[in-house]
Amino acid sequence: QTVVTQEPSFSVSPGGTVTLTCGLSSGSVSTSYFPSWYQQTPGQPPRTLISYTDTRSSGVPDRFSGSILGNKAALTITGAQAGDEADYYCVLYMGSGIWVFGGGTKLTVL
Amino acid sequence: QVQLVESGGGVVQPGGSLRLSCAASGFNFGSYDMHWVRQAPGKGLEWVAFIRYDGSKKYYGDSVKGRFTISRDNSKNMQYLHMNSLRAEDTAVYYCVRLKGYYFDHWGQGALVTVSS
Repeated sequence: QTVVTQEPSFSVSPGGTVTLTCGLSSGSVSTSYFPSWYQQTPGQPPRTLISYTDTRSSGVPDRFSGSILGNKAALTITGAQAGDEADYYCVLYMGSGIWVFGGGTKLTVL
Repeated sequence: QVQLVESGGGVVQPGGSLRLSCAASGFNFGSYDMHWVRQAPGKGLEWVAFIRYDGSKKYYGDSVKGRFTISRDNSKNMQYLHMNSLRAEDTAVYYCVRLKGYYFDHWGQGALVTVSS
């Protein structure tokens, strides 16, 4: 069974840049997996940040960007702010109607 | 605006059944594929099930296959998740989610299901 991998936690200083990644237990992530990224703060449903690898959703600041880095999908946050402290999830489309979420990354801004 | 409102959550005993509903509004429901995604307390998101816009195809995550059934009624702008043989590990907030192309673009607020004796 394919596992989607994310860093369990990450820390960034205010104003700093951080790159979160989304990989596969076996194989490489490509645009064919249609990677998307979601931000979730406590008690709230997820908010869509990025779709189709690098397309920002409406209202998402351009501090958030998506890409493929090496064999993983990546979410980069530049100029991190306190309000960016949240859990971040990626999800990949595996084909045949199956989606798989990564385990999520807890981002701390301090 | 797009709204997805879940209902039907609650406490159920292990082995029991429950049906979640999702009322959709603000868009042409019958044109969109829909999903259920869940989140156990303190845990990450888990994809549960997917139904095509016309109900012709249904897919399930391995952990619920054979126990859960997704359905929809386009005439009522509703989707459902029928959950049978519930286990403690099914305890979670269940989100109704709209699919746009290949990503989830709108999420409901979620419904809490607790499986406990």
